[in-house]
Amino acid sequence: DTAVSQTPKYLVTQMGNDKSIKCEQNLGHDTMYWYKQDSKKFLKIMFSYNNKELIINETVPNRFSPKSPDKAHLNLHINSLELGDSAVYFCASSRQGPNYGYTFGSGTRLTVV
Amino acid sequence: GQNIDQPTEMTATEGAIVQINCTYQTSGFNGLFWYQQHAGEAPTFLSYNVLDGLEEKGRFSSFLSRSKGYSYLLLKELQMKDSASYLCAVSSQTGANNLFFGTGTRLTVIP
Repeated sequence: DTAVSQTPKYLVTQMGNDKSIKCEQNLGHDTMYWYKQDSKKFLKIMFSYNNKELIINETVPNRFSPKSPDKAHLNLHINSLELGDSAVYFCASSRQGPNYGYTFGSGTRLTVV
Repeated sequence: GQNIDQPTEMTATEGAIVQINCTYQTSGFNGLFWYQQHAGEAPTFLSYNVLDGLEEKGRFSSFLSRSKGYSYLLLKELQMKDSASYLCAVSSQTGANNLFFGTGTRLTVIP
């Protein structure tokens, strides 16, 4: 009965590969997000999706693309991986409205070699 | 844009009280959150302030002053398990329901 689940938890891959990270939430939340946490532990928003509509994209390379097959899923696809993409990626979800906190998944540690 | 500042690291003694400050500059302020993140784990929600004043929740309290762009998280009766990073995050109306995080404060509780 995990609220926000991400897979895989760890991902090691070579430069130039294409990979995907899956995210699912069973909370009935309206909005889902992807965050990137770098080695300095800084959490930076990448995408948010509300009812299949992309709301914001913060200076993220177009090699990254979110895919939402339905309201409960927001997958992250990354093409042509680069060394600088190594980080921990967190999926999160929330209800609509500013006063609702986010529920985060456990994170995916991506290492590009 | 958003600018959020917190101290990078703090150390405090078990049983003591510690205050973690956060200053922010943002357009369309829509509330301020505090999250706790243990090493290797996901951030977890601690508190939310949208009006000025103090919100108390057990050993943790959070304060907000919108005119000063300032918040603090107060932790009382510190326990070893409180060693974690504490993230200040601002909700901005410019991006619907998006949270913008500070770099976090790593708190170490010592015996």
